[in-house]
Amino acid sequence: DTEVTQTPKHLVMGMTNKKSLKCEQHMGHRAMYWYKQKAKKPPELMFVYSYEKLSINESVPSRFSPECPNSSLLNLHLHALQPEDSALYLCASSPLGAGGNGELFFGEGSRLTVL
Amino acid sequence: QQQVKQSPQSLIVQKGGISIINCAYENTAFDYFPWYQQFPGKGPALLIAIRPDVSEKKEGRFTISFNKSAKQFSLHIMDSQPGDSATYFCAASMFYQNQFYFGTGTSLTVIP
Repeated sequence: DTEVTQTPKHLVMGMTNKKSLKCEQHMGHRAMYWYKQKAKKPPELMFVYSYEKLSINESVPSRFSPECPNSSLLNLHLHALQPEDSALYLCASSPLGAGGNGELFFGEGSRLTVL
Repeated sequence: QQQVKQSPQSLIVQKGGISIINCAYENTAFDYFPWYQQFPGKGPALLIAIRPDVSEKKEGRFTISFNKSAKQFSLHIMDSQPGDSATYFCAASMFYQNQFYFGTGTSLTVIP
């Protein structure tokens, strides 16, 4: 199983809503990532979890709140977003530590539209 | 500061031709250089990757050429097909750091 599964695929929310994006992988990877991608731009790193602990937070606004309940799951909680937060949100995972080859596996993404 | 510079921004190639995308980096600590292919509405998918101990890696029609002294690497797509039309991102990382630096992307169009 070499998949990273993201739900929902599409999400439309108002600026006062609270919603969550979910990500799941069963490859035994111990590093999981959230990226934000705008049209025709490269993925932009938001958060990295290593062994279920937040290791990198790229100065992301607090209206984005990540959570890693266990080694297979990664959530991104959304609250009071702005229209400029509309983007494709990508989850990714990679092996960590000795034996890992550095390969980054991406999910299909969640397309978020903030009205 | 862009850690990895990628060119060209867009590329149009005839079917059967060779597509070449170039990337350059500054940080000599990078030791893993992947290329990702992304179709519209999909997540990026790893296409091919190289480590700096080799100068070339080939997988099917896709070849990475790596020049360590020039700090440059490139993707060559031989016999380009319309199905190769996608956006390509180069990237660089340090093996144990688990942080990836992406180039700005190249939109490739292969015309029949």
